Amino acid sequence: DIQLTQSPSFLSASVGDRVTITCRASQGISSFLAWYQQKPGKVPKLLIYEASTLQSGVPSRFSGSGSGTEFTLTISSLQPEDFATYYCQQFTTFPRTFGQGTEVEIK
Amino acid sequence: QVQLVESGGGVVQPGRSLRLSCAASGFTFRYYGMHWVRQTPGKGLEWLSFAAHVGNNKYYADSVKGRFTISRDDSKNSLYLDMTSLRPEDTALYFCARDGISGIDFWGQGILVTVSS
Repeated sequence: DIQLTQSPSFLSASVGDRVTITCRASQGISSFLAWYQQKPGKVPKLLIYEASTLQSGVPSRFSGSGSGTEFTLTISSLQPEDFATYYCQQFTTFPRTFGQGTEVEIK
Repeated sequence: QVQLVESGGGVVQPGRSLRLSCAASGFTFRYYGMHWVRQTPGKGLEWLSFAAHVGNNKYYADSVKGRFTISRDDSKNSLYLDMTSLRPEDTALYFCARDGISGIDFWGQGILVTVSS
């Protein structure tokens, strides 16, 4: 099975900060990676698919990059509504594993 | 609009069985693969199972393989998860979700399953 490891697991940031979350795969997954945002008490929301394609309606301050085994999610200027937990998921093989999540908290 | 509504959750004793259902609407169900994903309270997401929309292909996480069975009835726009030999560690919020090929693009609100004596 492909393991996904996110770093950091937790980060504290201020409104306006540039934030970067990394997702590393245990083996190459080409660009078959998705990123989700989950706010407390809410269902996950797809932000990015195929590593760098923004889902319709997602603000342009979110961006994704990477291929192979290393991927990043970047929020260019953190907004109050961005405080949430972010997950990556690979879509290369089954099982469709998730990363363990990165919680973004207000500093 | 796309809607996925789970049902069938509740409290069940260890070793017993439970069937979750997911009623889909707002899209052509038979054109989409479907997933089950769960989340333990306060923890992360765990992918469980996938039913393809063609070829009757089904896949499972190791943690549920042999105990859980995914199925779908395209005539009823419904997805199911038959869970047997339930364990306390299966306690979680269970989500039905639509496959967007390269990401899960719609999620149900989830249904809580509690395995406890």
